[in-house]
Amino acid sequence: ETGVTQSPTHLIKTRGQQVTLRCSSQSGHNTVSWYQQALGQGPQFIFQYYREEENGRGNFPPRFSGLQFPNYSSELNVNALELDDSALYLCATHFAGVTDTQYFGPGTRLTVL
Amino acid sequence: QKEVEQDPGPLSVPEGAIVSLNCTYSNSAFQYFMWYRQYSRKGPELLMYTYSSGNKEDGRFTAQVDKSSKYISLFIRDSQPSDSATYLCAMRGSGGYQKVTFGTGTKLQVIP
Repeated sequence: ETGVTQSPTHLIKTRGQQVTLRCSSQSGHNTVSWYQQALGQGPQFIFQYYREEENGRGNFPPRFSGLQFPNYSSELNVNALELDDSALYLCATHFAGVTDTQYFGPGTRLTVL
Repeated sequence: QKEVEQDPGPLSVPEGAIVSLNCTYSNSAFQYFMWYRQYSRKGPELLMYTYSSGNKEDGRFTAQVDKSSKYISLFIRDSQPSDSATYLCAMRGSGGYQKVTFGTGTKLQVIP
C-alpha cells in the first residue's frame, strides 16, 4: 500500500456537470500531482500543488482546477464536463524534490455520459 | 510527435523468458528516467529510477538509459506470471517543479 487514497472509486456524470475528486496522502508529502489517464494511454500531467499553491500545469484548460489543504489532502475539480473527460484520474504525492519516489493512489474512474 | 514513444504491445511471453521493454524520447532536457508497473484497476507503482545514462539493476529488473540515442530499456529476467501488467516508462527534467512525462505503456502477459 502506498498510503495514498482517492475517493470516490467510480463516478458517473453527464456532460456539462461538475465533479470533485479527492486525494489523501501520507503526512509529510507536501506535493501532490494530478494525472488523467485515458484508456490505453499513459498518465497525462494535469497540475501540481506545493504547499497549497499551484506550481506547474500541463496542457489542460482552466475548467480543471485544484486545491491542496494543510492536512495534505487535495481536490481536483472539473467544470463543464465533456465526454472526453472520461478517464482514470490519479493523484501522486511526494516530498518536494524527490519526484521519482512519488506514490500513486488507486485512481478514480470517471465516466461522462 | 509525442515526447515519449512506447510500443503499446501487447507482448506475450512464456514463463521464464527475458522480457525487453523500450521507450524512445525526443526531449534532450530529460535527466531522470523511471519505469512504473500498473496492474489492472490500480495506480502505477515505481519499479526503477535512473539518473542520466547508465545501467541499474534490482533483482530480476535491469534499467538502461542511453541518452545519446534517447533510448531507455527495462529488462525482466526469469519472467513470472505475476509480472503480467502494463509497464510505463516516465521521465522528467531537472530543477523547478517536477512534471513527469509518461509513455503510453506496454501491456505484458507472461504465460505459465
